[in-house]
Amino acid sequence: GAGVSQSPSNKVTEKGKDVELRCDPISGHTALYWYRQSLGQGLEFLIYFQGNSAPDKSGLPSDRFSAERTGGSVSTLTIQRTQQEDSAVYLCASSPLAGALLASYEQYFGPGTRLTVT
Amino acid sequence: GEDVEQSLFLSVREGDSSVINCTYTDSSSTYLYWYKQEPGAGLQLLTYIFSNMDMKQDQRLTVLLNKKDKHLSLRIADTQTGDSAIYFCAEIPSGAGSYQLTFGKGTKLSVIP
Repeated sequence: GAGVSQSPSNKVTEKGKDVELRCDPISGHTALYWYRQSLGQGLEFLIYFQGNSAPDKSGLPSDRFSAERTGGSVSTLTIQRTQQEDSAVYLCASSPLAGALLASYEQYFGPGTRLTVT
Repeated sequence: GEDVEQSLFLSVREGDSSVINCTYTDSSSTYLYWYKQEPGAGLQLLTYIFSNMDMKQDQRLTVLLNKKDKHLSLRIADTQTGDSAIYFCAEIPSGAGSYQLTFGKGTKLSVIP
């Protein structure tokens, strides 16, 4: 079946502009995650959605970052007033039944959006 | 906090075995994972191991877990050029509602033809 998709695949923006990154998870997956992959920092967790529960935003680096998930499916990560240090690949992942007993929490990743802030 | 460490580079000859090592700090981690990332691509889940297992084998892949030393390894038998990629070790640290993966910085595997 279809995997996790993300759009756009590449985004170049000027410093100070806002950007929106989109993630379509695998159908039926209740959990959705955003990660950031940047040079020297590796992969960092940003935010996690599980069903209708309040999201875990503990990884968001600043209040310029926000995310929402509409209807328990598609998610949008918004970065306001972008800075050069926001340049990175933003990865989305989804998994089924997060929280279920003995669930392996397997996360399936999309191809990522490469964001370049000039 | 939790930390996952890996060596950054590994170079092997085609046909040899590759062993990628990882150490982690959270002894309560339930599952440990290996992901593969090819150039310009997202992360592909290769395999995972439950913490009550010592070993898991899946075709050319063998995962070994030493809980006492908090050491995880991935062995790739008969390494091929298509195995060239970055391999990430990851854990889900313990804690209520903690489902985010903590990744190592990745080991870049280069396979020499």
